Amino acid sequence: DTEVTQTPKHLVMGMTNKKSLKCEQHMGHRAMYWYKQKAKKPPELMFVYSYEKLSINESVPSRFSPECPNSSLLNLHLHALQPEDSALYLCASSQRTSGQETQYFGPGTRLLVL
Amino acid sequence: RKEVEQDPGPFNVPEGATVAFNCTYSNSASQSFFWYRQDCRKEPKLLMSVYSSGNEDGRFTAQLNRASQYISLLIRDSKLSDSATYLCVVILDTGGFKTIFGAGTRLFVKA
Repeated sequence: DTEVTQTPKHLVMGMTNKKSLKCEQHMGHRAMYWYKQKAKKPPELMFVYSYEKLSINESVPSRFSPECPNSSLLNLHLHALQPEDSALYLCASSQRTSGQETQYFGPGTRLLVL
Repeated sequence: RKEVEQDPGPFNVPEGATVAFNCTYSNSASQSFFWYRQDCRKEPKLLMSVYSSGNEDGRFTAQLNRASQYISLLIRDSKLSDSATYLCVVILDTGGFKTIFGAGTRLFVKA
């Protein structure tokens, strides 16, 4: 089983709202990731957690705040977003397989900021 | 220069054709290499890991050339269902797993 789940599937929020995206995996993977993907573009890495510690922050604005409560859960807290933040937000988790760090993606949350 | 470069295509091929995609990466410290497939409005799905020894999975063959920093994907006997965007992915272990996607190559297979 290589399932990563994300909720909600869709989210519409205003620029003054606070919302959270959730991601869960029960595969015992050691690393979890947040990506942002705009239409017709590849995913862009935002954050990486390794063993529940933030290991990479790709200069993401502070209006995006990640949290890793435990090894199975990853949240992305959203506050004071801008319309240009509308995108597909993908979560992934990874484990080492045959010498390679192999990632599996969740279905994503499609976010619209009004 | 982009860290991972791919020809964006689109590639328009008839069913049954053989098609090859190429990808180059700039960081020689790159450690893990993959091809992912992404359908419209869906998440990326792992297609294949890529190794220097080459690997094959049915109609798909992937190859890594570390000396040239080059990754390839060959699809034989193309099916309509192969129509998708193919993403080349490179991971650097920098203390965290920095993951870099190529821009993707769009493939259309036509009857």
